[in-house]
Amino acid sequence: EPEVTQTPSHQVTQMGQEVILRCVPISNHLYFYWYRQILGQKVEFLVSFYNNEISEKSEIFDDQFSVERPDGSNFTLKIRSTKLEDSAMYFCASSEISGGQPQHFGDGTRLSIL
Amino acid sequence: GDSVTQMEGPVTLSEEAFLTINCTYTATGYPSLFWYVQYPGEGLQLLLKATKADDKGSNKGFEATYRKETTSFHLEKGSVQVSDSAVYFCALSASFSGAGSYQLTFGKGTKLSVIP
Repeated sequence: EPEVTQTPSHQVTQMGQEVILRCVPISNHLYFYWYRQILGQKVEFLVSFYNNEISEKSEIFDDQFSVERPDGSNFTLKIRSTKLEDSAMYFCASSEISGGQPQHFGDGTRLSIL
Repeated sequence: GDSVTQMEGPVTLSEEAFLTINCTYTATGYPSLFWYVQYPGEGLQLLLKATKADDKGSNKGFEATYRKETTSFHLEKGSVQVSDSAVYFCALSASFSGAGSYQLTFGKGTKLSVIP
């Protein structure tokens, strides 16, 4: 069964450094998403992406965050200058279409900011 | 805004016990509802879904019915197994702006441990 893959599985970065999290969505999917889960808290929506542009973004997704689909397969989340509070598990997801269709998730990247 | 409330865990059950994990939601419009499961060290996997009122989603012995009148989507299983030990998330799908892509709003998750 096709799956969403994320790399790396764990990223440790110094505060203030830039970090790029990578995702390969399922190949025939059109909608892409990033979510995050701070330890012990809810999974929170960050951003959705369709047709090479952001469709929706939450209040969390400020100017420090950006997303890109640099080629036909990868979908990346960049944090420009990391803060301690960016430490979380970041999940990428994709869906074939939008609406009530389920989203398929990767295993996540654990980001630790020191 | 939209929100999902699910029962606090952790929940510990003996094998073959009956499971209920309560989930209620607040949303404008008519969201789709989902249960996702996260096994240790893995990502979120779709367990079941329901897209309209009175729909029943089912998978692997788990069931949940979309109850619009009570805004609920409780997860049930008649006889749990040790392999069901995981964290279960209730979620709804809606668009922030009413158009475009749909985002998932999650509950906090309920950790289930099943002991032999």
